[in-house]
Amino acid sequence: KAGVTQTPRYLIKTRGQQVTLSCSPISGHRSVSWYQQTPGQGLQFLFEYFSETQRNKGNFPGRFSGRQFSNSRSEMNVSTLELGDSALYLCASSFRTDTDTQYFGPGTRLTVL
Amino acid sequence: EDQVTQSPEALRLQEGESSSLNCSYTVSGLRGLFWYRQDPGKGPEFLFTLYSAGEEKEKERLKATLTKKESFLHITAPKPEDSATYLCAVQAQGGSYIPTFGRGTSLIVHP
Repeated sequence: KAGVTQTPRYLIKTRGQQVTLSCSPISGHRSVSWYQQTPGQGLQFLFEYFSETQRNKGNFPGRFSGRQFSNSRSEMNVSTLELGDSALYLCASSFRTDTDTQYFGPGTRLTVL
Repeated sequence: EDQVTQSPEALRLQEGESSSLNCSYTVSGLRGLFWYRQDPGKGPEFLFTLYSAGEEKEKERLKATLTKKESFLHITAPKPEDSATYLCAVQAQGGSYIPTFGRGTSLIVHP
């Protein structure tokens, strides 16, 4: 069974631009979570989607948004990029919201110049 | 608030030198505790899920154990390819079910 895939793997943007990242979960998984990982803060939860509905949201500004499609694929968008948004953005999928294990994708490395 | 503390932050071992990584947690009620391995620039790779005190799971040179307050990841006779950051996360019963992650232990195994 194929794992979680994320595209693109690398992105370079400038301040003020916006970016869209994509995540395809493991087949059959309906829950998709997004995390931001930086050396200073570690893994921080952004939001979680289940059946096209945002079920949980972390403590991030409104510039960070996401959505989930009927095939469970998910996208996250960051508008008005700031230098501090440079990070590894990770997507994780699980079968259900309350299931035991999340499986992570390889991540998208975003660099904001 | 759920808290996860991993120690040590960094660990250097010689090949074959066994050791343990610690994950201490505070959670209202534990639903599950997870261990992941993360290589630089890659996503975390799932290793184990533990559900109740006394539970143990093994995979190759790794063995994870769980008590009511902490979990240990024992590494027996490590090899250089075991070098990675090991992350621990806890999932609380009820609430959002979103795991809380520790900051990780960076392990380097020298040949």
